[in-house]
Amino acid sequence: DAKTTQPTSMDCAEGRAANLPCNHSTISGNEYVYWYRQIHSQGPQYIIHGLKNNETNEMASLIITEDRKSSTLILPHATLRDTAVYYCIVSVLTGGGNKLTFGTGTQLKVEL
Amino acid sequence: EPEVTQTPSHQVTQMGQEVILRCVPISNHLYFYWYRQILGQKVEFLVSFYNNEISEKSEIFDDQFSVERPDGSNFTLKIRSTKLEDSAMYFCASRKRGGPDTQYFGPGTRLTVL
Repeated sequence: DAKTTQPTSMDCAEGRAANLPCNHSTISGNEYVYWYRQIHSQGPQYIIHGLKNNETNEMASLIITEDRKSSTLILPHATLRDTAVYYCIVSVLTGGGNKLTFGTGTQLKVEL
Repeated sequence: EPEVTQTPSHQVTQMGQEVILRCVPISNHLYFYWYRQILGQKVEFLVSFYNNEISEKSEIFDDQFSVERPDGSNFTLKIRSTKLEDSAMYFCASRKRGGPDTQYFGPGTRLTVL
């Protein structure tokens, strides 16, 4: 699976948009970009995923560059409850596997 | 909304003892996973399971580990002879089908080996 690079930490004011970048310059054509987050030591929570096109759901938007070498997760109106470690993961399908390889992620701190 | 559940939430055991961690995946899911996270470290893949057999396992998943789906609802991880270094959070995950589908994680079991 391709390696990803994320900033170690970011701060965001409550109510503002949080933009979390991720570099995945070695991504292959069949690899998807997934975003998960982990609050304290809880189980990772799925946020969004995409292949080429930008995606939006009730939690966030995912912007993938045209060359697919980087992406940005956008939380449009961050709240204190969005404070968490955010993981950008690229994953290729491997039969019944499709394991997720977690990095160290970005610690997002949302403040008043 | 359906959830993955795990029991117990916290397990304390003595070194050398066997432990079984239990998971109930989301009911119509077909792919099952175990991950672990040692305190302060990354979440690490252990094993994936599909159609009643292991489809992939990591180097961590040695002969001391085994997985089983004993009935239509439970998915278990057994550690035969626990070591101190097995102390970690263990997360179960499940996925509905093949393709780029989402893995949903349970809340985890904290295993403490004394």
